[in-house]
Amino acid sequence: KQEVTQIPAALSVPEGENLVLNCSFTDSAIYNLQWFRQDPGKGLTSLLLIQSSQREQTSGRLNASLDKSSGRSTLYIAASQPGDSATYLCAVYLNTGFQKLVFGTGTRLLVSP
Amino acid sequence: NAGVTQTPKFQVLKTGQSMTLQCAQDMNHNSMYWYRQDPGMGLRLIYYSASEGTTDKGEVPNGYNVSRLNKREFSLRLESAAPSQTSVYFCASKEGGSGAYEQYFGPGTRLTVT
Repeated sequence: KQEVTQIPAALSVPEGENLVLNCSFTDSAIYNLQWFRQDPGKGLTSLLLIQSSQREQTSGRLNASLDKSSGRSTLYIAASQPGDSATYLCAVYLNTGFQKLVFGTGTRLLVSP
Repeated sequence: NAGVTQTPKFQVLKTGQSMTLQCAQDMNHNSMYWYRQDPGMGLRLIYYSASEGTTDKGEVPNGYNVSRLNKREFSLRLESAAPSQTSVYFCASKEGGSGAYEQYFGPGTRLTVT
């Protein structure tokens, strides 16, 4: 059974710092991997989708990497801002006939001014 | 283009009552999903619909039923609500088939069962 783990569970940094969020999964036979952001009391916003054939994907100050063989993905946030404060969720698409998503429990990020 | 919409936003039920959560998407997606989110458990898949006319169980289907009414709408029904069903429910949709297609989520329904 695929399990997705995100470490740390919570992270607090001062504004301007570069930071890395980690995601690991137990079965490397994934299809794609998606990073989401969730603000308190809100739904999920997609940040980046990495296809299984890709090594990384970039959007603005965000860069996500994927290493299938080691079962790991990282989300790099450059020059963090208070507006980046949210919970970040990693999810893997299972490589089955229908691509179900399996979610990690998230990293809660607080960026202080 | 509203994306994925869910109604209601909040609901309080008494044990044993029934209700239907509504979800609609305007992105012409083939696949739709229902998840529940509980503290410390992450999001778990309840049911999904790969395409109009088909539905399948996910990880935690017990106590729920679904209907894919048409391509746009996918409803989740609680026939006899239990306190263990207190949760936040999210609907999502995705273009069907293989490929680099993202899931898009609705804003959620916060359900409390007393």
